[in-house]
Amino acid sequence: DAGVIQSPRHEVTEMGQEVTLRCKPISGHDYLFWYRQTMMRGLELLIYFNNNVPIDDSGMPEDRFSAKMPNASFSTLKIQPSEPRDSAVYFCASSYEGLAGAVTGELFFGEGSRLTVL
Amino acid sequence: GQNIDQPTEMTATEGAIVQINCTYQTSGFNGLFWYQQHAGEAPTFLSYNVLDGLEEKGRFSSFLSRSKGYSYLLLKELQMKDSASYLCAVREMGSWGKLQFGAGTQVVVTP
Repeated sequence: DAGVIQSPRHEVTEMGQEVTLRCKPISGHDYLFWYRQTMMRGLELLIYFNNNVPIDDSGMPEDRFSAKMPNASFSTLKIQPSEPRDSAVYFCASSYEGLAGAVTGELFFGEGSRLTVL
Repeated sequence: GQNIDQPTEMTATEGAIVQINCTYQTSGFNGLFWYQQHAGEAPTFLSYNVLDGLEEKGRFSSFLSRSKGYSYLLLKELQMKDSASYLCAVREMGSWGKLQFGAGTQVVVTP
């Protein structure tokens, strides 16, 4: 079975440019998460969706960041305009809830998108 | 929210045992997870505890004490491939799937 698929794997861009990161969750999963990882701050939750609806976006740094999930198999994280401090690895993860107590709800992570903003 | 603490780095010899501690504070506990992350790779799920006690999975075991807000991950018969960062993560009640991660413990296995 395919895991969580992210693209691009690497992106180098200049400050001020728009960046769009893409994610395809595991089929059947009803939760999708966007995390950001840096050496200084570790793994931070930016936003998560349940059944395509944003549930908690309190981790989104500022208005330059936006995320959408138009359907169950696709999500985007957009940064506009990008800044050097946005340089990080952005992970998408998915999970499913199932029956209470029947599943652990662990997250399945994609390989990540390494973003460098010059 | 949660406050999750774990050591920054631990070093151990191949074949030895290492115990990684994790303490947390949360308003409503609903599960603790351990993940392994090799350099340049994604985190991968290792173990899950929601009730007190020990969960064993091969060379890896995880323990939880909810009253103490404490967990540990025990790695036995260390192998070179176990050199990685180990992340403790906590889930709160009412936020299924949403995990708050600790900063991670870098384990270095030496020959």
